Amino acid sequence: EAGVTQSPTHLIKTRGQQATLRCSPISGHTSVYWYQQALGLGLQFLLWYDEGEERNRGNFPPRFSGRQFPNYSSELNVNALELEDSALYLCASSFRKSSYNEQFFGPGTRLTVL
Amino acid sequence: RKEVEQDPGPFNVPEGATVAFNCTYSNSASQSFFWYRQDCRKEPKLLMSVYSSGNEDGRFTAQLNRASQYISLLIRDSKLSDSATYLCVVRTMDTGRRALTFGSGTRLQVQP
Repeated sequence: EAGVTQSPTHLIKTRGQQATLRCSPISGHTSVYWYQQALGLGLQFLLWYDEGEERNRGNFPPRFSGRQFPNYSSELNVNALELEDSALYLCASSFRKSSYNEQFFGPGTRLTVL
Repeated sequence: RKEVEQDPGPFNVPEGATVAFNCTYSNSASQSFFWYRQDCRKEPKLLMSVYSSGNEDGRFTAQLNRASQYISLLIRDSKLSDSATYLCVVRTMDTGRRALTFGSGTRLQVQP
């Protein structure tokens, strides 16, 4: 069974630009989560999508946004990039109806803002 | 106070040793608990869920103490391949909160 996939693997942008990151969940999973992991820091929750809707949002500014498509894949958009947005962005998926709701992570997109 | 706290380590142990990590959480409404493992510059991988009665998976044993609000991970007979950062993860079923809260991780280095 294929795991969570993310693209691109690496992304280099300059300040002020926009970045789009993509995620495909495990087949059958309806929930997609986005996390930011800056170098040396823990995972910070960004967004949670389920069944096409945004269910929850972490403490990030509105320039971090996203969406979930009918096939449950998801996009994370970061507008007006700042240097401190450089980080590993991880996507995870889960089967929401599972009582324990374990999340499985993709390999991440490493975003570098110059 | 952080919602999920872990000792960052590193824990340096010889091969074959037994090592234990603790993690405390602050929200008494937390309902699901997990240990994830993260290798350097890789994504976190689910190691095990933590059940109320405690559970074991091979050399790994997880315990939950709701009264004291901590979970633990015990690794027996440590292998070099166990070297990684171990993340304590807590899920609270309150819809207004974040989906999962991750601890900052405890780094384990198993030495030959």
